[in-house]
Amino acid sequence: DTGVSQNPRHKITKRGQNVTFRCDPISEHNRLYWYRQTLGQGPEFLTYFQNEAQLEKSRLLSDRFSAERPKGSFSTLEIQRTEQGDSAMYLCASSQRGTPNEKLFFGSGTQLSVL
Amino acid sequence: AQSVTQPDIHITVSEGASLELRCNYSYGATPYLFWYVQSPGQGLQLLLKYFSGDTLVQGIKGFEAEFKRSQSSFNLRKPSVHWSDAAEYFCAVGFRDMRFGAGTRLTVKP
Repeated sequence: DTGVSQNPRHKITKRGQNVTFRCDPISEHNRLYWYRQTLGQGPEFLTYFQNEAQLEKSRLLSDRFSAERPKGSFSTLEIQRTEQGDSAMYLCASSQRGTPNEKLFFGSGTQLSVL
Repeated sequence: AQSVTQPDIHITVSEGASLELRCNYSYGATPYLFWYVQSPGQGLQLLLKYFSGDTLVQGIKGFEAEFKRSQSSFNLRKPSVHWSDAAEYFCAVGFRDMRFGAGTRLTVKP
């Protein structure tokens, strides 16, 4: 079990630039989730996929945010025209639908700093 | 709408003392409830979860939690805290669109 892998671990960018993060879930997991966590807060749900289909999106996910999971395996989260308010830890999690005790496994996150 | 409240932002306990972290939730149906722990630089780790059945749930690392529907609570307990338990603890409700509380930071005094 290699766990959920996220890259990069840290990203520093200038306001207005685009950034892309990658998440590799546990290989047999068909569900993948993105969360955002700011300092002193709990994670906030952004979106989730079942296989390649994006089934739910939070209102937090503005038009500048887009997530994909083209082959039902890894996923990318892109933020266009970054703003300072986008600075946060972006967490990815995965799970296997249908297992009796389905649970989320989280990656270590990508820390984004927008200058 | 589902939501979670963790009333205590920061708790300090002595090593060996008992611990209780509070969690109150708001949810329209029978909730799925979780406790996660997050150490610096680490991902969230699931301590325990409640889906249905026995309202006292045992988790990893000696933690347990009790679901009380009448109080809309899911408090986390541990009878004897170890220094390695120092971390941030999050209560969460829901499932696919899980809602987390703001967290409780636990400090353990020697």
